[in-house]
Amino acid sequence: DGGITQSPKYLFRKEGQNVTLSCEQNLNHDAMYWYRQDPGQGLRLIYYSQIVNDFQKGDIAEGYSVSREKKESFPLTVTSAQKNPTAFYLCASSADRGSYEQYFGPGTRLTVT
Amino acid sequence: AQTVTQSQPEMSVQEAETVTLSCTYDTSESDYYLFWYKQPPSRQMILVIRQEAYKQQNATENRFSVNFQKAAKSFSLKISDSQLGDAAMYFCAYRSAFWDSNYQLIWGAGTKLIIKP
Repeated sequence: DGGITQSPKYLFRKEGQNVTLSCEQNLNHDAMYWYRQDPGQGLRLIYYSQIVNDFQKGDIAEGYSVSREKKESFPLTVTSAQKNPTAFYLCASSADRGSYEQYFGPGTRLTVT
Repeated sequence: AQTVTQSQPEMSVQEAETVTLSCTYDTSESDYYLFWYKQPPSRQMILVIRQEAYKQQNATENRFSVNFQKAAKSFSLKISDSQLGDAAMYFCAYRSAFWDSNYQLIWGAGTKLIIKP
């Protein structure tokens, strides 16, 4: 089955540690996205990538980093510089930059204490 | 900058009845897309319906339909014959059709829909 996988579903870290969230897709999509979701708010774009080895900052990129070394993979690192990292993180992909439909993974709930 | 507003944090409806969720948006663009996404308790985001701004006809997908009022910048979602499985957060989203917009989705804050059995 084609789709997007995110692992793990729940992640716990101590403050000051970097943590990497995984996102893999087998849809052969060019574009991939990372969103952050907080209670009572809509999704906010962290980073997006339109092709391999290229990515752009979204609205809230500070304290996050990404890489896109392979078409199917777009890992997100939450660094210790992110002031409030506890949130639900969603990864998405679309066929290409202009495609209107984004497909979402099941998300990762990150808790930092 | 574009904004999307969902003024109803929570709505409830009796099973089998009809409910309408509201969404308004602000944009100076003439060509764009609008979406309704559903996020059930599993938190998987699922596309429910989309509307192209250049189409006057309202989009329909089975029990889901929209009322798109371009001049009023309103995009409401109507769910007919509500079912227990419709219980979820519903998000309205906007996307520019212009190439230099980076095609970013702009999201509303969501409406929690409760279905009463």
